[in-house]
Amino acid sequence: GAVVSQHPSWVICKSGTSVKIECRSLDFQATTMFWYRQFPKQSLMLMATSNEGSKATYEQGVEKDKFLINHASLTLSTLTVTSAHPEDSSFYICSARGVFEQGQHFGDGTRLSIL
Amino acid sequence: GQQLNQSPQSMFIQEGEDVSMNCTSSSIFNTWLWYKQEPGEGPVLLIALYKAGELTSNGRLTAQFGITRKDSFLNISASIPSDVGIYFCAGQLSWRDDKIIFGKGTRLHILP
Repeated sequence: GAVVSQHPSWVICKSGTSVKIECRSLDFQATTMFWYRQFPKQSLMLMATSNEGSKATYEQGVEKDKFLINHASLTLSTLTVTSAHPEDSSFYICSARGVFEQGQHFGDGTRLSIL
Repeated sequence: GQQLNQSPQSMFIQEGEDVSMNCTSSSIFNTWLWYKQEPGEGPVLLIALYKAGELTSNGRLTAQFGITRKDSFLNISASIPSDVGIYFCAGQLSWRDDKIIFGKGTRLHILP
């Protein structure tokens, strides 16, 4: 149980393109979803926390207009990297927390490469 | 901000050896979590700890929630090649706070 699916797993696109990443909880309802960014050989850095039906809470230093988060249902959250540039290249990982759980369950991540 | 100090940063061990890693913090946590991440994948939850002093096992893995609530350790017994990966500790400060804070990870290498 507690499977989180993230799509796509790999994206390569040109600078200036907007990229949407989906995060779905497949077998549970996720009241809260989280978006992380991870650079090579580093730890996970929380970007934002989103609750279903409300605006996401962004961590300090994360640009809201750059990283648009939508949490439209209890099983789906999306992260859109708008007008992506090479410095946005990274590994983006989502996680979800169920109603009666404390731990977060992670997706397999999306490797974003901007040329 | 709150930090988790995870050590060691990396380990090179022989197959069959036991492994021990730990996390400490100056802050008190109400939940400790241990995750494993393999290349190109998201972290997978190994063990969750909710009470001070709690000792929990998951197969060859054992983790404990420190009495002071400021530390936790993870032990792996009789390591095997598939144990290779990065192990992260993570802590949650309060029941009301959804966020968890990650340590910097321990990279485990197993020599044949």
